[in-house]
Amino acid sequence: GAVVSQHPSRVICKSGTSVKIECRSLDFQATTMFWYRQFPKKSLMLMATSNEGSKATYEQGVEKDKFLINHASLTLSTLTVTSAHPEDSSFYICSVVPGTSGEETQYFGPGTRLLVL
Amino acid sequence: AQSVAQPEDQVNVAEGNPLTVKCTYSVSGNPYLFWYVQYPNRGLQFLLKYITGDNLVKGSYGFEAEFNKSQTSFHLKKPSALVSDSALYFCAVREGSSNTGKLIFGQGTTLQVKP
Repeated sequence: GAVVSQHPSRVICKSGTSVKIECRSLDFQATTMFWYRQFPKKSLMLMATSNEGSKATYEQGVEKDKFLINHASLTLSTLTVTSAHPEDSSFYICSVVPGTSGEETQYFGPGTRLLVL
Repeated sequence: AQSVAQPEDQVNVAEGNPLTVKCTYSVSGNPYLFWYVQYPNRGLQFLLKYITGDNLVKGSYGFEAEFNKSQTSFHLKKPSALVSDSALYFCAVREGSSNTGKLIFGQGTTLQVKP
């Protein structure tokens, strides 16, 4: 399967600051990446679809100005949580799709644990 | 609308016994079905998928799943459970004709394998 990394794995920040999370596809080029949020012992909630070279597509209810997504290259997408607040504390996971045939598997990064104090 | 249901929050089995984790789905077209496993504080690991062909799909770590179109199910199975199989399991579906690539996940089932 594909290798996906996320950095940082864990971050603690003060309320009001911004946090950037990186998602890298290490062994193939990914035109599409997805960002998810997961609460403890809960399913994944899709936040947005990140498309290389174009604006991200956000799911209903996700604030695009709050969660900034940049997919500047075929191997890197970033999620920036702006003016973070304690309710933004969560586990953020990215995934990548290696290809465009429609049958591809999504491969997931190891996740980033965000704690906002 | 697409949806996935995992009716059991938790499944408990004894080591060495067979295990089944249930999943049913709803899509308007042909389903692409996936199973993932998540260990604590980790991302999701791909186990297996059904796109087309043989209804019985074999995947990683000895897991398999059977696609049943009439029952709209895709239950995950393993003949002999290991303690190390204890984790959170997610079923996911994508409509085959969808060009967005988005997956819809079930709510997850915690598998507890006891020695």
